[in-house]
Amino acid sequence: QKEVEQNSGPLSVPEGAIASLNCTYSDRGSQSFFWYRQYSGKSPELIMSIYSNGDKEDGRFTAQLNKASQYVSLLIRDSQPSDSATYLCAVNPPGTYKYIFGTGTRLKVLA
Amino acid sequence: DAGITQSPRHKVTETGTPVTLRCHQTENHRYMYWYRQDPGHGLRLIHYSYGVKDTDKGEVSDGYSVSRSKTEDFLLTLESATSSQTSVYFCAISGQERYEQYFGPGTRLTVT
Repeated sequence: QKEVEQNSGPLSVPEGAIASLNCTYSDRGSQSFFWYRQYSGKSPELIMSIYSNGDKEDGRFTAQLNKASQYVSLLIRDSQPSDSATYLCAVNPPGTYKYIFGTGTRLKVLA
Repeated sequence: DAGITQSPRHKVTETGTPVTLRCHQTENHRYMYWYRQDPGHGLRLIHYSYGVKDTDKGEVSDGYSVSRSKTEDFLLTLESATSSQTSVYFCAISGQERYEQYFGPGTRLTVT
């Protein structure tokens, strides 16, 4: 079992819809979780971090964390074509300052 | 944007030659990381540093070495490049709290 799993996609959604991206992780003791957006040919850009169970909202983005079920998700409301990118989930295992990255989900927002 | 630069941005080299990639930060962050990114594998940690002269291996460290003699610089060396080391290399930094990582622009390395 991979330590951090994401569906590779592509996930296609129409413009204006909600895009839902999911990530599961294997280390139950993990405390810190991150979502990155990566455009083709560019470096990953941090868009959300979440440390506590529940929802965290920032503009059109909402991160959701459920430690009991070991998943973290990212919702993008009012999706725009400019949101088309690969979204990487990263988990910080306990007792380390390293991340484990998922392989990413490619999102396509159709105009 | 976090003050992180990488050099060179692109490099083509021949098998068996040594290559050094440089990561430079202006944020005075303690932690620095080198990743490689390949299709189907995502981002994989090569080496990381938790202070000057303090480094440790990541999951794909074979064939790579690193050095950090100053807070702001983290060097990645391929002692004898192989075609399997053709990849995009990213440097990242993080501070003392929360460990949020910020990435540099990347170096595209091709080993022929």
